[in-house]
Amino acid sequence: GQQLNQSPQSMFIQEGEDVSMNCTSSSIFNTWLWYKQEPGEGPVLLIALYKAGELTSNGRLTAQFGITRKDSFLNISASIPSDVGIYFCAGSSGNTGKLIFGQGTTLQVKP
Amino acid sequence: DTEVTQTPKHLVMGMTNKKSLKCEQHMGHRAMYWYKQKAKKPPELMFVYSYEKLSINESVPSRFSPECPNSSLLNLHLHALQPEDSALYLCASSSRLAGGPGETQYFGPGTRLLVL
Repeated sequence: GQQLNQSPQSMFIQEGEDVSMNCTSSSIFNTWLWYKQEPGEGPVLLIALYKAGELTSNGRLTAQFGITRKDSFLNISASIPSDVGIYFCAGSSGNTGKLIFGQGTTLQVKP
Repeated sequence: DTEVTQTPKHLVMGMTNKKSLKCEQHMGHRAMYWYKQKAKKPPELMFVYSYEKLSINESVPSRFSPECPNSSLLNLHLHALQPEDSALYLCASSSRLAGGPGETQYFGPGTRLLVL
């Protein structure tokens, strides 16, 4: 079946540093979604990407839909303590409603 | 407004109990989903409803029974659960089951379930 490889698995960074994480797939996706989840809460949508090559920003967050449609990255600039959480990528390749999730990147920010 | 609400926030139940989880959205979405999530793992899809009809059942045990009474509500009925069913249960909705923005899923805050 389809799999998403998300890396890195975890990051421990200093406040103010930039962060980059990415997801790669063995197959093509039509939609890439990036979510952030904090303890005890549901995933919150950060950025949605629908076209190959698309580059989208949301405040300090920037994400891109890879040109091959098999990868996506998320960058966070000038990290702050409230960026702490687990970041999940998710991809969709059809009209079934099935999202394929990456394993998540746990981000910790040291003030 | 991209809000999906879930009740209760926490639930403790014994293995012989019957309980229900509720999910509601007022975004006019016609696709709704149930997920199960274990700690530090990604959500696992359980059920998909499209236009109030069950579209996908990911081989979920029959002790979990979904119900979609109308386009805004989704229930998950629980009966004779096992301790390993303890998890965060997430509801999500999307505009429809179609490519592009329509399939973007918005999650609720979840119900933390503990089975004793």
